[in-house]
Amino acid sequence: GAVVSQHPSWVICKSGTSVKIECRSLDFQATTMFWYRQFPKQSLMLMATSNEGSKATYEQGVEKDKFLINHASLTLSTLTVTSAHPEDSSFYICSASNYGARNEQFFGPGTRLTVL
Amino acid sequence: AQSVTQLDSHVSVSEGTPVLLRCNYSSSYSPSLFWYVQHPNKGLQLLLKYTSAATLVKGINGFEAEFKKSETSFHLTKPSAHMSDAAEYFCVVSDTKPGTYKYIFGTGTRLKVLA
Repeated sequence: GAVVSQHPSWVICKSGTSVKIECRSLDFQATTMFWYRQFPKQSLMLMATSNEGSKATYEQGVEKDKFLINHASLTLSTLTVTSAHPEDSSFYICSASNYGARNEQFFGPGTRLTVL
Repeated sequence: AQSVTQLDSHVSVSEGTPVLLRCNYSSSYSPSLFWYVQHPNKGLQLLLKYTSAATLVKGINGFEAEFKKSETSFHLTKPSAHMSDAAEYFCVVSDTKPGTYKYIFGTGTRLKVLA
């Protein structure tokens, strides 16, 4: 149980284009989903928290107009990187929680974004 | 405020010897604590979690960790390292106070296992 998927697992795009990453909770309803970013050899940094049907809460320093998050249902959240640039190249990981088991989050396998 | 400190950025052990990865935390409320492992270019895998039950927590692949409130520590151990244990390990703290459910990640410890 508690499986989270991400699609795509990797994507290469040209500078200036937009990329959408999907995060799905496959076997539970996720009250909240989280989006993280991980640079090579670094830890995960929380970008934003999203609750179903409401606007995402972004961490300090994260541009909400650049990283658009939509959480339209209890099983799907999307992250759109708008007008991507090479510095946006990173590993993006989502997680989902239904606040059971003392706030455990269940992580997706990650999406590797490379912007040329 | 919550915080977590992984005391070693790199640890090297020989295969078959014990593993100790150190983690200290700070939390103003009753914390949940987790250890995750990440192999290169892969997502996170949960090794074990402490959620206020037994202080000695057993996880997968022979790992265990002990919650010590007096020392604010949650060190990860394994009696005998295997080559497949080579990976990045993250200690995570999460407050259980409603509204403060974020995960705070440590900076990670890279475990190297020598043949």
